[in-house]
Amino acid sequence: ELKVEQNPLFLSMQEGKNYTIYCNYSTTSDRLYWYRQDPGKSLESLFVLLSNGAVKQEGRLMASLDTKARLSTLHITAAVHDLSATYFCAVDPTQGGSEKLVFGKGTKLTVNP
Amino acid sequence: ETGVTQSPTHLIKTRGQQVTLRCSSQSGHNTVSWYQQALGQGPQFIFQYYREEENGRGNFPPRFSGLQFPNYSSELNVNALELDDSALYLCASSLTGSIKLFFGSGTQLSVL
Repeated sequence: ELKVEQNPLFLSMQEGKNYTIYCNYSTTSDRLYWYRQDPGKSLESLFVLLSNGAVKQEGRLMASLDTKARLSTLHITAAVHDLSATYFCAVDPTQGGSEKLVFGKGTKLTVNP
Repeated sequence: ETGVTQSPTHLIKTRGQQVTLRCSSQSGHNTVSWYQQALGQGPQFIFQYYREEENGRGNFPPRFSGLQFPNYSSELNVNALELDDSALYLCASSLTGSIKLFFGSGTQLSVL
């Protein structure tokens, strides 16, 4: 059974600082997703990572994937308050994709002024 | 905007009742997946429908059932509601083989 673990689960950081969220998963996968969720809202797609060594960046967020280590990271650069949200990684357990995602528990990020 | 709409947005039911949640997928998307997100947790896969047939189920009992219709809409039905069914229910539509899932805004179900 595929397990997806995120850490930390809670992250409080100051504006302007950098930090990394980690996502480990237990079985082989070729698709990893990162989502953002604001309180009471749905999931906003951030990145889809498909291959070993994939790196994607959007604004202050950068995601990477190491399929051999079964590890993805979401790096936050020079955090701003607007990045406060819960971030989820999700793994598709089926080679070639099935859209039946297994999610981590999420990392609740709070960026303080 | 993802083009996926869910109704209702909020719903309050009592234990033992039955509920139907609705999802309207993007036009042309032949796959719809439903997820349950309990408070403070990540979404959990309930089941998926592809071309109106169930195409995989997560660890949920049979009182969770679904339907998918030819017009790209779908339903999630839950019988004999329990307090633990209180959660945000999300549907996600996709085109099989595509890497992108489009999530709806969700239905918040409270069971009292």
